[in-house]
Amino acid sequence: KQEVTQIPAALSVPEGENLVLNCSFTDSAIYNLQWFRQDPGKGLTSLLLIQSSQREQTSGRLNASLDKSSGRSTLYIAASQPGDSATYLCAVGEAGTALIFGKGTTLSVSS
Amino acid sequence: EAQVTQNPRYLITVTGKKLTVTCSQNMNHEYMSWYRQDPGLGLRQIYYSMNVEVTDKGDVPEGYKVSRKEKRNFPLILESPSPNQTSLYFCASSFLKGIGGTSPVNEQYFGPGTRLTVT
Repeated sequence: KQEVTQIPAALSVPEGENLVLNCSFTDSAIYNLQWFRQDPGKGLTSLLLIQSSQREQTSGRLNASLDKSSGRSTLYIAASQPGDSATYLCAVGEAGTALIFGKGTTLSVSS
Repeated sequence: EAQVTQNPRYLITVTGKKLTVTCSQNMNHEYMSWYRQDPGLGLRQIYYSMNVEVTDKGDVPEGYKVSRKEKRNFPLILESPSPNQTSLYFCASSFLKGIGGTSPVNEQYFGPGTRLTVT
């Protein structure tokens, strides 16, 4: 059964730092990997989706990479800002359509 | 605007009082799903539907019912809510697609969430 792990569970950085969030998954037979942002008690905002045939996707200051063979994805955030403070969730999409989520990394960016 | 809507957004109820959380999508997606999110446990799938009149259990279906009579709607029913169903609930929808002729993609769109408290 697919398992998704995110490390670290929490991260605190000063404003302006570049940072990397990690996601690993146990079964490489995925259709895609999706990164979400969630503010406390709020809904999920999709940030980036990487298809299984792709290596990376970029949106503004965010860059997500995917290495299926090693079962890893990273989310790189450049020049972090206090507004980036949130929980970041990684989810893999497989045949059968259920998304399997990690438990998230809670990011705090201090000004 | 493409979206998934849920109602109500917040609900406080008492044990045993039947309730329904509605979910609707306007993207003509075949697939719809319900998740619950709990601290330390993450998001877990409750039920899903591949199309009208086709539903199946997810990882945590106990205490829930669903129906899919129309393509756009997928209500979640709690016949006799209990305190352990206090949670944040999300509805999602998707269709499998290939982008640019490449591999299939399972991209899900989520509703804003329903915060349910059962006392």
